[in-house]
Amino acid sequence: KAGVTQTPRYLIKTRGQQVTLSCSPISGHRSVSWYQQTPGQGLQFLFEYFSETQRNKGNFPGRFSGRQFSNSRSEMNVSTLELGDSALYLCASSSGGWPNTEAFFGQGTRLTVV
Amino acid sequence: DQQVKQNSPSLSVQEGRISILNCDYTNSMFDYFLWYKKYPAEGPTFLISISSIKDKNEDGRFTVFLNKSAKHLSLHIVPSQPGDSAVYFCAASPTKTGTASKLTFGTGTRLQVTL
Repeated sequence: KAGVTQTPRYLIKTRGQQVTLSCSPISGHRSVSWYQQTPGQGLQFLFEYFSETQRNKGNFPGRFSGRQFSNSRSEMNVSTLELGDSALYLCASSSGGWPNTEAFFGQGTRLTVV
Repeated sequence: DQQVKQNSPSLSVQEGRISILNCDYTNSMFDYFLWYKKYPAEGPTFLISISSIKDKNEDGRFTVFLNKSAKHLSLHIVPSQPGDSAVYFCAASPTKTGTASKLTFGTGTRLQVTL
């Protein structure tokens, strides 16, 4: 079955702009999590959506937001971009059920803020 | 505060030998652990996981050991192959959230398997 798909793969934006990234999870998976990877901070959890509701949230400012649609596809939005937002943004898909199941990652969107 | 630590940023191992990657954690709420492998410009690929009710889990060449009292886990790769060269991330989750989706990652160990 198809894996996790993230679009676009690469993005260049100007400071102050906003950006929307998209993630399509594995078919049947209801949980989508977003992570930011930077050289200095590694992989950091942004938030998780499950059945269209934000279920978990990391320690990021309110400029970072997301949503999930009824087909489980998710979007992440970053407003008022800062240079420090340049990173690889990864989404992870899992069934979100109990007991724990593994999270499968997409290839990521490389965002560069200039 | 780094709750999951991989103290070795890099490791070089000869092909055919054992690779041992280590990971320590501080948060006693973590009780589900995963290892991921990552190539440049790609997302992490899930390798193997272990729940805190076990102390060992094996999948082919990959074995993960968990020592709860020491808050330490390790990934053993035997035998190591050149294709194993990548960055390996240890990740942890508090299972009481009911999901493996909120993961705390270590900073990664770059493994290089030489011929």
